[in-house]
Order: sequence, then C-alpha cells, then structure tokens
Amino acid sequence: TQLLEQSPQFLSIQEGENLTVYCNSSSVFSSLQWYRQEPGEGPVLLVTVVTGGEVKKLKRLTFQFGDARKDSSLHITAAQTGDTGLYLCAGAQGGSEKLVFGKGTKLTVNP
Amino acid sequence: DTAVSQTPKYLVTQMGNDKSIKCEQNLGHDTMYWYKQDSKKFLKIMFSYNNKELIINETVPNRFSPKSPDKAHLNLHINSLELGDSAVYFCASSRFRSSLSETQYFGPGTRLLVL
Repeated sequence: TQLLEQSPQFLSIQEGENLTVYCNSSSVFSSLQWYRQEPGEGPVLLVTVVTGGEVKKLKRLTFQFGDARKDSSLHITAAQTGDTGLYLCAGAQGGSEKLVFGKGTKLTVNP
Repeated sequence: DTAVSQTPKYLVTQMGNDKSIKCEQNLGHDTMYWYKQDSKKFLKIMFSYNNKELIINETVPNRFSPKSPDKAHLNLHINSLELGDSAVYFCASSRFRSSLSETQYFGPGTRLLVL
C-alpha cells in the first residue's frame, strides 16, 4: 500500500499555463516536503510544510498543506520550460525518523 | 564544492558479482542515508546512519551491507548481485537525524545495471 499518492502521474503542458499537482494520504503527517528531481540528478528540496492549512510561496510556486495534515498541493503559475522535472512529495510521521516518498508527478513544460 | 558526491556514477556488472558504491558529504552533517529509486521513479529508503551508528534498516536483503567509516562517508556494498538490484541508488545527508523538518541533500545517484 502506497502511503502517499501523487496525481497526476504525468502532466504535459505549454509554457505559460497554470497547473496543480496533488499529494494525498489517508494518514496524518507531521510534515510534508516537496522535492524536484531533474533527469540524471538527485532530488532537491523545494519546501517543507509543517502546520495544517499552511501556505508557502516560492516565486511562481505555491504549496499548501491540508488542514488535517493528510494532503498537500503544489500550484505553479505561468509554467516555464525550466519547471520541467519530477515532483516528489515526501512525508514524515510523528515518531518516525524516515521520510516516505510518493511516486512523483512527471511534469513536462513545452515551449 | 560538491556537497554530496557518489562514485561511480554508472555501474554495469554481471549477475553474481559483488560491488561497492561510495558516498561522501562535505556539509558536516551527522546523518546519511541510502535510497533506491526503481525504474518507475519510486524512491525508497534503505538505510540511515547517524554519527556512524545504524539507525534505520528497512527490509533490505542482507546482501546489502552499509558501512560508515566516519560521519562524512557512507558506503554500500552489495554481494551476489541480482537482476532486480538494477536501479538508481542515491546517497543523502541531513544535519540531524530527525526527519520532521530536516532538509535532505541528495547526491547525483549511481545507476546500477545488472546483466
């Protein structure tokens, strides 16, 4: 059973469009992180959210942690080709020292 | 000034062989990790060490043996390689062992192909 479900699995859009990707679970997480992984490289942390309902902005990227701390979303405004990559959410549950990753959303932004 | 480095980047080998992957971090972090990313990009933790002490050992065949000679290095030795071991192996590090809000810094990965 996958603890963190990400959707969609694949997303291909044109430059300038907006998009939202989701990370859902039936379990509560103490914190959720979003990473971006580019081809041939390791994941790089974008943001950590720890409070239910929290919203964080990173330039054109907006991250939200659900009120119940079971889900998160990533919204990108006016996507650019440089946003292309695999977006992974990862969660930590209280008392656990390990991060659990979702299977990722592969985003392609076409020029 | 690479933060987390791994060698080799590519590893192609025959079934049954024994191989090692090395990882070094120059961030002064206490905690290091090994992850396996399969062909569907699913990233799963294998091991974690804190100051040379094993703290996470997921359900991994005992053909996989991590070794941490000091807190800046975490190597992974794999015995009797099998086809299913083919994957990308990532090393990562974080300042401290708690995962709640710590940033993990990943290396570039080692692409292992077992033939």
